[in-house]
Amino acid sequence: NAGVMQNPRHLVRRRGQEARLRCSPMKGHSHVYWYRQLPEEGLKFMVYLQKENIIDESGMPKERFSAEFPKEGPSILRIQQVVRGDSAAYFCASSPPGKSNTEAFFGQGTRLTVV
Amino acid sequence: AQSVTQPDIHITVSEGASLELRCNYSYGATPYLFWYVQSPGQGLQLLLKYFSGDTLVQGIKGFEAEFKRSQSSFNLRKPSVHWSDAAEYFCAITDSWGKLQFGAGTQVVVTP
Repeated sequence: NAGVMQNPRHLVRRRGQEARLRCSPMKGHSHVYWYRQLPEEGLKFMVYLQKENIIDESGMPKERFSAEFPKEGPSILRIQQVVRGDSAAYFCASSPPGKSNTEAFFGQGTRLTVV
Repeated sequence: AQSVTQPDIHITVSEGASLELRCNYSYGATPYLFWYVQSPGQGLQLLLKYFSGDTLVQGIKGFEAEFKRSQSSFNLRKPSVHWSDAAEYFCAITDSWGKLQFGAGTQVVVTP
């Protein structure tokens, strides 16, 4: 059973470009969470999704950021018109359906660098 | 509102010595608590978790943690550290949705 897969592992974008980060949850997992880790800081919750639904996006910046988890395929975190301050590690985690308080498994992260 | 505090940003410990990392939480009900470890450039690995029951929780890599409701604490301990334990450690709490709120982390340096 493969773990949570994130790609790419490293992404370099110029200011103003778009960044797309992908997350394939563990097999059988239908809950996906995105977190952001800014340099020298802890992880901050961004968004919680289930298949085709955004459950909680209270941690998402109001502009330029969006997330989806379609019926088929990976979850996507999309950042439009990136700025230097978006440079961070973005982690995805997944957990199985049915239980609200259970272990979330993390991917290796995507390290975004905006130049 | 729930919150997690890790008072120590940085700890240096000698190899073979004991280690204790502090974690304090604020939560209105029974918390669900976790300790994760992050090696440089890597993702997070779960060390242990507390949901209910026995307040002394055993985890992987020889770590344990004790939940103390009276002190709102969930401190992580290891009797004898190894050089490979050098990493950053995060305490986290989860709400009813399962999303995690992390502490700021404690960087552990292990000296020979």
